[in-house]
Amino acid sequence: EAGVAQSPRYKIIEKRQSVAFWCNPISGHATLYWYQQILGQGPKLLIQFQNNGVVDDSQLPKDRFSAERLKGVDSTLKIQPAKLEDSAVYLCASSRGSPLYNEQFFGPGTRLTVL
Amino acid sequence: SQQGEEDPQALSIQEGENATMNCSYKTSINNLQWYRQNSGRGLVHLILIRSNEREKHSGRLRVTLDTSKKSSSLLITASRAADTASYFCATEGAGSYQLTFGKGTKLSVIP
Repeated sequence: EAGVAQSPRYKIIEKRQSVAFWCNPISGHATLYWYQQILGQGPKLLIQFQNNGVVDDSQLPKDRFSAERLKGVDSTLKIQPAKLEDSAVYLCASSRGSPLYNEQFFGPGTRLTVL
Repeated sequence: SQQGEEDPQALSIQEGENATMNCSYKTSINNLQWYRQNSGRGLVHLILIRSNEREKHSGRLRVTLDTSKKSSSLLITASRAADTASYFCATEGAGSYQLTFGKGTKLSVIP
């Protein structure tokens, strides 16, 4: 089966600019996650969707970050305006979201550099 | 906040040796998972152990879980240069399907 797709792979922007990332999960996966991974650390969950509804966005900086999952498939994550500390790899993951199938499948990530 | 903490932060071994990485966590879990991350293949799921399991094997991987000590270990036997990567433990809370990752152990396998 095809994996999780993300684009773009790399993005360089100036601080205060806006940026958007796109994710296409594995077909049939109900749950979609966005993570932020700062260099040298493990991924940190930003937001979790179940179908097209938000399950948890408690760690999403809502003053500048927004995410949506239209029609319960693709998702976009937006940062507006970006700060220097937003430089990180943004990972999208999907899973079946059932007790028997907890494994998360990750995309290649988008490496964001904010100058 | 990071739930799991891996130990050691970095590990360097010769090809053919065994590598052991440890993970400690703080709150009760539904399961614990180990992931590998390298530049070539991104973040890949290795193995999952549920809270009612004590040991699990997959190929050259062996994972143990001690819920009384809130700790887990990952053993990679007969290591290969291709095992060079960062290894993360991730804990899933009950019913949440959310993972909380540790900071990872960076493993270097020298040919």
